[in-house]
Amino acid sequence: AQTVTQSQPEMSVQEAETVTLSCTYDTSESDYYLFWYKQPPSRQMILVIRQEAYKQQNATENRFSVNFQKAAKSFSLKISDSQLGDAAMYFCARGGSWGKLQFGAGTQVVVTP
Amino acid sequence: DVKVTQSSRYLVKRTGEKVFLECVQDMDHENMFWYRQDPGLGLRLIYFSYDVKMKEKGDIPEGYSVSREKKERFSLILESASTNQTSMYLCASRPHGRVGGTGELFFGEGSRLTVL
Repeated sequence: AQTVTQSQPEMSVQEAETVTLSCTYDTSESDYYLFWYKQPPSRQMILVIRQEAYKQQNATENRFSVNFQKAAKSFSLKISDSQLGDAAMYFCARGGSWGKLQFGAGTQVVVTP
Repeated sequence: DVKVTQSSRYLVKRTGEKVFLECVQDMDHENMFWYRQDPGLGLRLIYFSYDVKMKEKGDIPEGYSVSREKKERFSLILESASTNQTSMYLCASRPHGRVGGTGELFFGEGSRLTVL
């Protein structure tokens, strides 16, 4: 089975600091999408950032950026200048055919004042 | 804004009951999905539908069925609920078919089901 692995169940970061969440994946496709979703305590899943595999440039959305290493099948998320509102469960996902996403187990981000 | 609405946020059912989880989206999306979320396991795909009356099994379809009679509505059915189906259920939708589009899924708020 093609899998997505998040090896960090929980990460703690102080406000204004930077935290990096790791994600590795498996795929036999050459073109696909990768995503990071955020799930706050309210439970609504929100898209944080998206990366198209054929683009070499790493995606950036404000304080969120990714380090995409296609050959290594690695897709880490960096949160800069962490804020209390960043506290949530973060899921890495790989897109496949018919728009099906394969998700990792998630990483809980705890932000301390 | 895309809105995906799940009919119930919290349900408590008895073992053996038939359970319906309803999902409606308002953006004319072709594709709809049901995921199950469990701690330490992330989200796992139960079923998906790429068009009206079309459905495909996901990774964990056992014990579940689905119905898509109208484009905007995708229902998940537990024919005879069991305690191991206690979980969070997330519905999602996206535009376009097999290829094209951004791949992004739009999620509902989730339905927390407890089976006693």
